[in-house]
Amino acid sequence: DGGITQSPKYLFRKEGQNVTLSCEQNLNHDAMYWYRQDPGQGLRLIYYSQIVNDFQKGDIAEGYSVSREKKESFPLTVTSAQKNPTAFYLCASSIPTFGQGDYGYTFGSGTRLTVV
Amino acid sequence: GIQVEQSPPDLILQEGANSTLRCNFSDSVNNLQWFHQNPWGQLINLFYIPSGTKQNGRLSATTVATERYSLLYISSSQTTDSGVYFCAVERNTGFQKLVFGTGTRLLVSP
Repeated sequence: DGGITQSPKYLFRKEGQNVTLSCEQNLNHDAMYWYRQDPGQGLRLIYYSQIVNDFQKGDIAEGYSVSREKKESFPLTVTSAQKNPTAFYLCASSIPTFGQGDYGYTFGSGTRLTVV
Repeated sequence: GIQVEQSPPDLILQEGANSTLRCNFSDSVNNLQWFHQNPWGQLINLFYIPSGTKQNGRLSATTVATERYSLLYISSSQTTDSGVYFCAVERNTGFQKLVFGTGTRLLVSP
């Protein structure tokens, strides 16, 4: 079955460390996204990529970095510059052009990051 | 940017009751989705509905694009319907990103 796999489900980071969250999809979607969710809040966009080797900052990109070397993969690195990284991180993918068919976003199951 | 407002913010129902959740948005959209976030955080895609009406079992949704709102109907609610329901929209100008509302938190009690 096609879908999005995020790993790990839980991640603990020490102060000053960089950590990388994995996101892999086998849906053959061109576009991929990273969202952050804080407790009781909606989702906010960190980074997105429309195509391989291209990505753009979202609304809250400071302290994060991404790469898109393969269509299937869009890893997110939470750097030490991100001062409040404890949150739930969700990866998504979509076909970027709309108007035909029943397209939409598909989300992975998320990674909970905690600073210890 | 586009604004997405959901109401009510919280809703408590007895099992078997019906409910209507509302999503208002401030600009024209080419994508509107309803999601259910379960207690483990998984976002389940309920409907892709930029316009018109769709039904899936006990759930149905209607989007009136010209009036910039969408409604999600839950009939004969069950305890497994508990969680947070998000509306998310994408503007219809170029490549845009899904913008989420703040959600409606639903609790269905037995």
